[in-house]
Formats: sequence, structure tokens, C-alpha cells
Amino acid sequence: DAGITQSPRHKVTETGTPVTLRCHQTENHRYMYWYRQDPGHGLRLIHYSYGVKDTDKGEVSDGYSVSRSKTEDFLLTLESATSSQTSVYFCATLDPFGSNQPQHFGDGTRLSIL
Amino acid sequence: QQQVKQSPQSLIVQKGGISIINCAYENTAFDYFPWYQQFPGKGPALLIAIRPDVSEKKEGRFTISFNKSAKQFSLHIMDSQPGDSATYFCAAGIGNEKLTFGTGTRLTIIP
Repeated sequence: DAGITQSPRHKVTETGTPVTLRCHQTENHRYMYWYRQDPGHGLRLIHYSYGVKDTDKGEVSDGYSVSRSKTEDFLLTLESATSSQTSVYFCATLDPFGSNQPQHFGDGTRLSIL
Repeated sequence: QQQVKQSPQSLIVQKGGISIINCAYENTAFDYFPWYQQFPGKGPALLIAIRPDVSEKKEGRFTISFNKSAKQFSLHIMDSQPGDSATYFCAAGIGNEKLTFGTGTRLTIIP
């Protein structure tokens, strides 16, 4: 949807290992977001970016870092994965200059940390 | 914390019936209230959204009702169909740049 590709789509890894998730967009949207989705919690914002090299923390940012060196790519890194970070991760983009434009979501990455 | 409370957690409706999902918010500065629909294995997609200058917005079988004084808004799905079976999330924000989501409602439409 809206040219958003998340990779990998599925990943299983062990506690303590570093993990990087990638979000790639082809829409040239300025804003990008990382959310996690957990049962009973809905979607919670981890980090967001309002431009290249401009990022800020969201509601649940502890244990996560992000980088955005190009408009089209937004990376989410778990420096040392923990079991509590097992979740489905969604990337979203937004054109802030479009009238009444919604946030567009990718199809998610299912991450399991054993 | 700026919460958005959503209910019910799950809902079963007969085909042709009306599905109703409710949300309540706390922050009176919120001025954008979207509803997202999510199918299994997919990301959420915008279904319908409302601004607080109107009390109701209708798009096809989907209607948002908004009560500013009560700080509540709801999604009504008329003539519910099996294809409407999905998880629905309400959200609220100051503009559409930073949203707070509800916890989701799993809707099942039975024949």
C-alpha cells in the first residue's frame, strides 16, 4: 500500500542479538513512523521521522533506535533484542502537505525473540 | 498519557446487522479522528475520518458519529457483510501527524 515495503516480513532471533528492520517507500513522503502492535495494546508509536536525519521518540522508544539517511528508507534497530520486543512492527508514511492525507501503513514485520 | 479507549474488544454481528464500535478520548486538543481497518497479515488502512466541526460523516455503509461534549466517537457499519470481518482501530490526534490509537476491536460477521 502506498509503495511501502517492509523487510524482512518474518524474523526469528535470539535474546541479546542485534536486529534491524527496514522500511522502504516509493511515495517520497516526508514523514515516516515505526509502530509496534501487540494484543490488548493496539498500535504504539516507537519513533518517527519528519525528514532526513530528523527523528524523534514516540511512546515506547526504550530499547530501540532509528536512522533515516535517505527520504525513502527508515531503519529500526534493536541493539540487544529482548523477549518483550516480540511483536509485529509496522512502518507508516505521511505526506504532511497533502490535504487530509492519512498515514499509510506497510504490511508489517513479525519478529519473534526467543 | 493521552489515551484513547476503545470498546468492545471483540464483536460478533449477524450478516445484515449493524456493527457499532465506540471510542473515548481525553485530550480536548485532538482534532482528527480516523478509523482504520486491518485484515490478517496486512497493515491498517484508513477507512473513514472525521474532524470535530461536524457531528457525523457517512461514506457508503460506514458512518462516524462524533460527540464533542462527551469526548466520544463511534463507527457504525450498516448492513454488515462477511467481508467486513476485520480488526478496527480508532485513533485521535492533533492533526494527522501523530496519532494515538485505541486497542482495537475484532469484528466477526456471521451468516
